[in-house]
Amino acid sequence: DSGVTQTPKHLITATGQRVTLRCSPRSGDLSVYWYQQSLDQGLQFLIQYYNGEERAKGNILERFSAQQFPDLHSELNLSSLELGDSALYFCASSVRQGMTTDTQYFGPGTRLTVL
Amino acid sequence: AQRVTQPEKLLSVFKGAPVELKCNYSYSGSPELFWYVQYSRQRLQLLLRHISRESIKGFTADLNKGETSFHLKKPFAQEEDSAMYYCAPATGTASKLTFGTGTRLQVTL
Repeated sequence: DSGVTQTPKHLITATGQRVTLRCSPRSGDLSVYWYQQSLDQGLQFLIQYYNGEERAKGNILERFSAQQFPDLHSELNLSSLELGDSALYFCASSVRQGMTTDTQYFGPGTRLTVL
Repeated sequence: AQRVTQPEKLLSVFKGAPVELKCNYSYSGSPELFWYVQYSRQRLQLLLRHISRESIKGFTADLNKGETSFHLKKPFAQEEDSAMYYCAPATGTASKLTFGTGTRLQVTL
């Protein structure tokens, strides 16, 4: 599958814990975006990386961080988890550096449940 | 503040009936506008964007700058159109998408 992949599919953890979500972009895509989808907030942009560098930040909490590695995969780290962090986390990738005409291709998402 | 509004949470239509999914935006500058669709148990995928002026799966969307709207339309709904639809403007060099709350389209026989 040459599309965007995300692991794990599901994650169940407890409050106060730390988790890492992983995303592999489409082959050739240099930009990675992270989005959070929750029932009360809808789909929100968190952060974007391009070729290893942070390019844009959205509504990302300080407890959350991300990085993009030399092989272009990205990880989203969520720490000191709270019940309200339970959500579906999507990764998307695109070819170029954030051109507004760029199409973003989404992964299947990771469903995080914090108990 | 930049905002996108999809006023209908759920739109239920009969097969063969016309469909219009509403989207209004409030943005400074000239955003580029997208419609994304999420079918049941599938990932979000691009349906169409206004600059391409294409018709995808029979859907079209006209940008009305005066009304700041980008409504999605289809003349004859099909069962397979049942899905969640998101309007998403993108601005700035980061191309980040700001999603509306989405409208669930339900096409019934």
